[in-house]
Amino acid sequence: GDSVTQTEGLVTLTEGLPVMLNCTYQTIYSNPFLFWYVQHLNESPRLLLKSFTDNKRTEHQGFHATLHKSSSSFHLQKSSAQLSDSALYYCALSPGTQVVGQLTFGRGTRLQVYA
Amino acid sequence: EAAVTQSPRNKVAVTGGKVTLSCNQTNNHNNMYWYRQDTGHGLRLIHYSYGAGSTEKGDIPDGYKASRPSQENFSLILELATPSQTSVYFCASGDPGGDSYEQYFGPGTRLTVL
Repeated sequence: GDSVTQTEGLVTLTEGLPVMLNCTYQTIYSNPFLFWYVQHLNESPRLLLKSFTDNKRTEHQGFHATLHKSSSSFHLQKSSAQLSDSALYYCALSPGTQVVGQLTFGRGTRLQVYA
Repeated sequence: EAAVTQSPRNKVAVTGGKVTLSCNQTNNHNNMYWYRQDTGHGLRLIHYSYGAGSTEKGDIPDGYKASRPSQENFSLILELATPSQTSVYFCASGDPGGDSYEQYFGPGTRLTVL
């Protein structure tokens, strides 16, 4: 079946440094949709950004990611971390239109930003 | 914005007891989902539904049943609760299509099975 791999369980950063959270995936479907969800402490997950298009950068709230089908990757980046970015980040995959609606989530990466 | 509510928000159950977790959404989404969240495992899909009367098995359905009596309501049922089912459970709804595919999550239910 589909799988999503987030290699870092915990990333710790000093405020102002760049953020990069890794996400790779495996799927048999040729046009997967990729998502990043963010979950702040004591809250529920919410969509941060999504991509349906190969090699196109998508941005939201200062974060950006580019879907690269050639390397099956969808890494999340931000140029300068803020204390408020501290949260749990999930990468997720949908097979696309062939299997409507289902998401496979990675195990999550906790980002902790320090002053 | 989609509104998804869950009840109860916290539940303590005894081993072998029956537990029902309820979810309601007011955005008229066709699809609804039940996940459990555990440290080190992330969010794992238990059951999902494409509409009233439909339930489908997700990735980890063993020990769980689901019921979708209406468009708005989707329940998760633990007939014989076990301590391994102690977790945080999230319900979500969504209407995939177009450029959406976003899932909207409820606030979660923290279940402890003693």
